[in-house]
Amino acid sequence: DAEITQSPRHKITETGRQVTLACHQTWNHNNMFWYRQDLGHGLRLIHYSYGVQDTNKGEVSDGYSVSRSNTEDLPLTLESAASSQTSVYFCASSEVGGGRRETQYFGPGTRLLVL
Amino acid sequence: GENVEQHPSTLSVQEGDSAVIKCTYSDSASNYFPWYKQELGKGPQLIIDIRSNVGEKKDQRIAVTLNKTAKHFSLHITETQPEDSAVYFCAASMGRALTFGSGTRLQVQP
Repeated sequence: DAEITQSPRHKITETGRQVTLACHQTWNHNNMFWYRQDLGHGLRLIHYSYGVQDTNKGEVSDGYSVSRSNTEDLPLTLESAASSQTSVYFCASSEVGGGRRETQYFGPGTRLLVL
Repeated sequence: GENVEQHPSTLSVQEGDSAVIKCTYSDSASNYFPWYKQELGKGPQLIIDIRSNVGEKKDQRIAVTLNKTAKHFSLHITETQPEDSAVYFCAASMGRALTFGSGTRLQVQP
């Protein structure tokens, strides 16, 4: 079955370190998204991609970067981790075209703790 | 950009009662409104959605209504069951990116 996976599921790191969170989907979806979830804020969009070599900034992109070299993967990099980036991170994907194009399918999340 | 407000933040109902969660959005260009359910430790899962050319949509015990003039939409769950306990998020979209509300924690008391 097609799916979307995230790794690692849990990560502890130190302030100032570079961290990369992986997201992999097997639906062949063109659209991929990264969100962070914090209590009281719901899900906030960090970065998104509408296809290979395409990346766009979301609402809370400062301190994060993404790159899209193939359809299946959209890794999220924290250039220099800060305590304010302690959060749960969700990756999502959706297809392009057709009546269901907006439906986003979410991964299981990565819980990141920055000490 | 789009702003979505969601109320209430917590909701407790007795099993068998109905639950209603309300959302408002700011940008009249938004045309797609999904609702997601998130269980503890899991990613959000789509439960129902509605597009701006439709006023109401039902799927068994779940229904969503949309008032484009007032820019608000609501989720209705009838005959609630303990397994409905979760956090529910509304969202709005003008294209492919979603803007989410802050979530409602629904607790169904047996």
